[in-house]
Amino acid sequence: EIVLTQSPATLSLSPGERATLSCRASQSVSNYLAWYQHKPGQAPRLLIYDTSNRATGIPARFSGSGSGTDFTLTISSLEPEDFAVYYCQQRSKWPLTFGGGTRVEIK
Amino acid sequence: QVQLVQSGAEVKEPGASVKVSCKASGYTFIDFGISWVRQAPGQGLEWMGWISAYNGNTIYAQKFLDRVTITTDTSTSTAYMELRSLRSDDTAVYYCAKDSVATSSLFDPWGQGTLVTVSS
Repeated sequence: EIVLTQSPATLSLSPGERATLSCRASQSVSNYLAWYQHKPGQAPRLLIYDTSNRATGIPARFSGSGSGTDFTLTISSLEPEDFAVYYCQQRSKWPLTFGGGTRVEIK
Repeated sequence: QVQLVQSGAEVKEPGASVKVSCKASGYTFIDFGISWVRQAPGQGLEWMGWISAYNGNTIYAQKFLDRVTITTDTSTSTAYMELRSLRSDDTAVYYCAKDSVATSSLFDPWGQGTLVTVSS
């Protein structure tokens, strides 16, 4: 199965700062990489699919880039509601797999 | 709007089975597949399996192949996930998630989650 490794595990930032999250795949997933936001007590929410496409209703401050095995989620200027855990997910091959997550916390 | 509403929390003893339901509304049920994903305490997300609501075809993660069954009832627009031979490490929040309209094998939206606690 394709293993996704996210880094860093935790990112401590202040509102207004830029967040850069990384996801590395154990083999190429082409561009079939998605990002989800997960807040405590809530269901996860799809943010980005196929590397760089924002899901419906997702603000423009969220952007994705990369290809093959290395991907990045960027939050250009953190809003208070953006502090959460972020997961990457590949849909290149079954089984579908998630990364271990990056927690973005308030500094 | 599209909504997935899951059944309530369960407490089970080791060795028992649990069946969690996921009732869909706001879209044509048979047009999209549904996946089940779980999150153990303090852990990340783990995909368990997927079902086509159109024809009932399933794909399971190897880890769960011999213990999980995912089904649908198209008459009630409901998906089910049954997990057998429960162990303490099956304690987790279980989510159903619909295939995204954007493309398959993406999860959008998700149900609210069902906590399954396995304890003697």
